[in-house]
Amino acid sequence: DTAVSQTPKYLVTQMGNDKSIKCEQNLGHDTMYWYKQDSKKFLKIMFSYNNKELIINETVPNRFSPKSPDKAHLNLHINSLELGDSAVYFCASSQVGSGATQYFGPGTRLTVL
Amino acid sequence: KNEVEQSPQNLTAQEGEFITINCSYSVGISALHWLQQHPGGGIVSLFMLSSGKKKHGRLIATINIQEKHSSLHITASHPRDSAVYICAVYFGNEKLTFGTGTRLTIIP
Repeated sequence: DTAVSQTPKYLVTQMGNDKSIKCEQNLGHDTMYWYKQDSKKFLKIMFSYNNKELIINETVPNRFSPKSPDKAHLNLHINSLELGDSAVYFCASSQVGSGATQYFGPGTRLTVL
Repeated sequence: KNEVEQSPQNLTAQEGEFITINCSYSVGISALHWLQQHPGGGIVSLFMLSSGKKKHGRLIATINIQEKHSSLHITASHPRDSAVYICAVYFGNEKLTFGTGTRLTIIP
């Protein structure tokens, strides 16, 4: 059973397009996250949701909009894709609270041409 | 500024060697994560520490809160340990701040 799943695994698209990445967790966690890993493999948080409410938004362009229909899902929608958006995007989940172990999805490799 | 530094950036060792990866952080933290990222890209949590020492199989993680330092040790290293090891900390909130990672290569 997959704990944190993401779709798609790979996404290749043209500049200017709009795309979505979906994330689902079956761990019963209250908190979900989106991270971006750049070409140098550096991970950085983008968003965090706790029980469907946004709690962290790290100076991410407005073109990125997370949506959490329920606490098991956190989707990432990206408008007007740019070359610099090419990266691997990881979803993660944890129980609420600082210090909780985070469980990561397999990642989505986004390539913008 | 809340920062996390790891050393070394790259480490190559022979199979069987004892491995140490270091992580230092700038200010007090509530907890520290050691993560492993395999060549395939998946990220796995190895340890969550707020004090002392934890052991799982051949992996040992220690943290010294006063010195703001943590180490990840691998005993009897094996080629399958080859991966990127990432230190990440909670600076008192629910946001993880990541180190730049240590790329470990174990040669048979």
